[in-house]
Amino acid sequence: SAVISQKPSRDICQRGTSLTIQCQVDSQVTMMFWYRQQPGQSLTLIATANQGSEATYESGFVIDKFPISRPNLTFSTLTVSNMSPEDSSIYLCSVGQGLGQPQHFGDGTRLSIL
Amino acid sequence: DAKTTQPTSMDCAEGRAANLPCNHSTISGNEYVYWYRQIHSQGPQYIIHGLKNNETNEMASLIITEDRKSSTLILPHATLRDTAVYYCIDTGTASKLTFGTGTRLQVTL
Repeated sequence: SAVISQKPSRDICQRGTSLTIQCQVDSQVTMMFWYRQQPGQSLTLIATANQGSEATYESGFVIDKFPISRPNLTFSTLTVSNMSPEDSSIYLCSVGQGLGQPQHFGDGTRLSIL
Repeated sequence: DAKTTQPTSMDCAEGRAANLPCNHSTISGNEYVYWYRQIHSQGPQYIIHGLKNNETNEMASLIITEDRKSSTLILPHATLRDTAVYYCIDTGTASKLTFGTGTRLQVTL
């Protein structure tokens, strides 16, 4: 399966600032996704990162808060903007090749906002 | 909201088979059944998936009922390292994964 690297692995940020998380895959993939896991909770899909076009966001998530880029088939970024303590979560990138193929996850970025 | 239902927690003795059930009450014809697990502080790990037929790989076996409304993940010889939260998910062409609360499996000596 693909090797997925996320950077940074963890960070502590100040309220009101923004952080960009990177997801790098060692091979070309059809689909890339971003998930959030709040403390003690399950994973929630934020958006599907589309190569060369705007991401597709799930209900409750907006582009102004979570801008996403996907310039090619091996790389994507998620920015968490104007952070508040409620944004303290693990943010995970996953990749897949479409219908009938499993997604594989990175180990996530553990984000704490003070 | 999650489309599947699972027991909240289960215990299993080390060396015994762990059988984790899942109900897929709204699964449709082209949706696959996936199983993942998450060990504390790590990203979810893919275990196995299937459409209609039972499947087996080096990690586990997947049993899907004929009506596809339920599935069972079988870990044939559970070890302490299998202690994790296990998620069953059904998804189709969009490949989006909707995680429920999962089953917390505790493997004990």
